[in-house]
Amino acid sequence: NAGVTQTPKFQVLKTGQSMTLQCAQDMNHNSMYWYRQDPGMGLRLIYYSASEGTTDKGEVPNGYNVSRLNKREFSLRLESAAPSQTSVYFCASTASGRGYTFGSGTRLTVV
Amino acid sequence: GQSLEQPSEVTAVEGAIVQINCTYQTSGFYGLSWYQQHDGGAPTFLSYNALDGLEETGRFSSFLSRSDSYGYLLLQELQMKDSASYFCAAGTGGGNKLTFGTGTQLKVEL
Repeated sequence: NAGVTQTPKFQVLKTGQSMTLQCAQDMNHNSMYWYRQDPGMGLRLIYYSASEGTTDKGEVPNGYNVSRLNKREFSLRLESAAPSQTSVYFCASTASGRGYTFGSGTRLTVV
Repeated sequence: GQSLEQPSEVTAVEGAIVQINCTYQTSGFYGLSWYQQHDGGAPTFLSYNALDGLEETGRFSSFLSRSDSYGYLLLQELQMKDSASYFCAAGTGGGNKLTFGTGTQLKVEL
C-alpha cells in the first residue's frame, strides 16, 4: 500500500500565482486533513474533511481552499500565493481518529 | 482556543530513559496522541491514549491523566535513531480534529 501520496514534493511559486496541492490515500479512510508546518510552530490545521462531501476550516484557513473530490482525494488550493505561505504542507488521513497517516509533504517556497 | 505545552528540547544518553511531558488546554478533549518526526520527514504515529493510564508499545509508553490535563511519552533503552522531534496532539471534535503541540526535539548522545 502506498498510504498517503502527495504531489508535488517541491514547488517554487511567485507571489500572486496559484497552485493546487494534490493528496490521495488508498486506505479507505473517511477523514482527511491538510496541515502546514513552520519552524518552531508545530503542525497547524488548515482544513479538514471528516467524511466525503464535507469540509471544515481549521486553525489557519485564510488564503486556502479545499476540495474533497471523492473518498480518496483531498486537494488544497492557493488562489494567490503570498510569501507567508512558504511552508511545508502535509496531508493526513485517519479511519478512526486514533492514529493519523501522513504523506511525505510538499515543500513550498513563495518568492 | 486549544493549546498544548511541551519542552522544546531534551537531551539524553544512549541506553537511558527519557520522559517528555505534555500539558493541554482544549475544549471537547477526546484523546492524546504522540508522533515522531525525523528531520525532513513526515510525522509518524507512536501512541494514543483515550483513557487515563499507561499504554505500552515496545520501548515506548504513553500516559494520560484527564483530571490533570497532562500526559507524557516515555522512551526506554534510548537509541541514536530515536533522535527526532516528538509531538503531542490533542484530539477534539469527536476525534475528527487533531491539534499539535510545538514539539520536543530529543537529542540522544553517546
